[in-house]
Order: sequence, then structure tokens, then C-alpha cells
Amino acid sequence: DVKVTQSSRYLVKRTGEKVFLECVQDMDHENMFWYRQDPGLGLRLIYFSYDVKMKEKGDIPEGYSVSREKKERFSLILESASTNQTSMYLCASSFGSSYGYTFGSGTRLTVV
Amino acid sequence: KQEVTQIPAALSVPEGENLVLNCSFTDSAIYNLQWFRQDPGKGLTSLLLIQSSQREQTSGRLNASLDKSSGRSTLYIAASQPGDSATYLCAVSYYQLIWGAGTKLIIKP
Repeated sequence: DVKVTQSSRYLVKRTGEKVFLECVQDMDHENMFWYRQDPGLGLRLIYFSYDVKMKEKGDIPEGYSVSREKKERFSLILESASTNQTSMYLCASSFGSSYGYTFGSGTRLTVV
Repeated sequence: KQEVTQIPAALSVPEGENLVLNCSFTDSAIYNLQWFRQDPGKGLTSLLLIQSSQREQTSGRLNASLDKSSGRSTLYIAASQPGDSATYLCAVSYYQLIWGAGTKLIIKP
């Protein structure tokens, strides 16, 4: 069964810490995405990548960066975590716009 | 600008009923439409993907239809069960995925 794996289900970090969220897919998908989901705001796109070492800003990139050194791995980095980054983070991958998206199980991040 | 609307926002029905969830979109120039299920605190599970050239897709008790010209999709759930309780999200593939706000479904035993 094809999979998108997010390394942590739950994380608690302190304000100011550098946080890494990891996502790995085993489907050889070119495209990978990071979303955050908040009550009342729905899913919002943070960053996406169409290929190795490529990255594009989504709708809310401020305070985040990403890394894609290998095709199967897409990392989201919170350079200096803040309490307003407490959220559910969802990673997804796809072959492209004409294909479906597969999501990981999510990481619930709490910044205290 | 593409906008996606899901109606109703919440729905509570007795077990065993057939039900329909609605999704509408404003621009018919889509690649496809995908229905997802989300359980509380969990990730998204893809239920059905309908390409823009297709009219419907079926998986078990689920049937999704697509009418591009009217900008509508429906997700039909037959013989609902308590395990169907979840939030159902539709998303259209446009330039990126554009999301509806979801329908929270509760199936009462």
C-alpha cells in the first residue's frame, strides 16, 4: 500500500526552538506539499516542491522553510517556533495536478 | 478565483440512512475533484478521485458524481454506519488544491 509517513504524531516544543517535521513518501511522486490545518481556517498551503531541491511558497510561508534533498523526503522547518505555529501539520504527495493527492497521518505540534 | 463550498456544514442522521453530501465550485476548469475523510485528530484519507472527464466513481458504499458544467459534486453514502462518522472534505485540483470547509457527519446508532 502506498504511503506518506510523517515522523511524529505529536510534538511539544518550546518557543524559540528550531523544529523539524519530516515527511517521507514511497510512491516516487514528484510533488510534495506541506499544509497546516486550524479550526475555522481549514487547510492552508505552506510550501510545496515539484522536484528535488525545488521549493515554492504557498499561501502562508512566513516563519517556515523547507528542504528537499531527496525525492522521497520533504522536511518542514520552523526556524524559531512561536505559539501561533501550534497546529496540525499535514504532508501530501502527488504525481501532478491531474492525479490524486495522498496525505500522511499528520503531526500535532504544540508550541509552549 | 476558484472557491469551493460544502453544504451542509454538519449533518446528523440515524444509522442505516442513505445520505448525500454536496460540494460546489465556481470555476469549471478543474483537473479533478477528490473526496477525503478525516477522523478527529487524524490525517486525510482519500475516498474517491473523479477526473474532469468522468461523471462518477464508486467505491463500496460510496458514490461520487461530478457535473463540471454546473460546478457540483455529490458524495452519496449508502446504508450509513456509525463508523462513517467523520468530517468529509472535497478538494478541486485547479492550479493547486482548493478546499471546501468540510461537512461534519455524525451517524447515530
